[in-house]
Amino acid sequence: GQQLNQSPQSMFIQEGEDVSMNCTSSSIFNTWLWYKQDPGEGPVLLIALYKAGELTSNGRLTAQFGITRKDSFLNISASIPSDVGIYFCAGNQGAQKLVFGQGTRLTINP
Amino acid sequence: NAGVTQTPKFQVLKTGQSMTLQCAQDMNHEYMSWYRQDPGMGLRLIHYSVGAGITDQGEVPNGYNVSRSTTEDFPLRLLSAAPSQTSVYFCASSYLAGASNEQFFGPGTRLTVL
Repeated sequence: GQQLNQSPQSMFIQEGEDVSMNCTSSSIFNTWLWYKQDPGEGPVLLIALYKAGELTSNGRLTAQFGITRKDSFLNISASIPSDVGIYFCAGNQGAQKLVFGQGTRLTINP
Repeated sequence: NAGVTQTPKFQVLKTGQSMTLQCAQDMNHEYMSWYRQDPGMGLRLIHYSVGAGITDQGEVPNGYNVSRSTTEDFPLRLLSAAPSQTSVYFCASSYLAGASNEQFFGPGTRLTVL
């Protein structure tokens, strides 16, 4: 099935560092979404992007919808311990079917 | 609002047993879906529904059945469980309107098939 290539698969950083992760695809998407999953929980929506080139922030999080509509990135500034978790990108091609990336596992050393 | 609820939270089955995973939402969302999450695979769509009485297959539908008799409920049935169905299952819901598909996820059901 169709997949999004998300990288990196895992990150180990120091508290206070900035984080960057991205998703790419060979297909065009109408919407890009970024979710975070805490251990034992379901994913929670962080940011939704609807237009090519759109740059959206949510607190310390910033995400962009790539101009080609085939990629997106998520940045987290000044990481804190509660940022630990798995981050997923997801794309929607308009057929009510979300396609998810494999996830980026973020670990933060205090 | 309770959001999206799922039961049970944990389940162990023997190969060949059947069971139903329950999902309910109280947000009047038209769209509901089931995903499975396996290590290194992200979430993969099993089945989805755009409204009561309407269901369709996702990426990995084999071995699973669904029905949508009400807006609120979307149960997932395993007719004859197999070890390959060991996974964490998530139900999600959203509004249909607009270009977005901002799905709200339940807490998940962790299923082990022996």
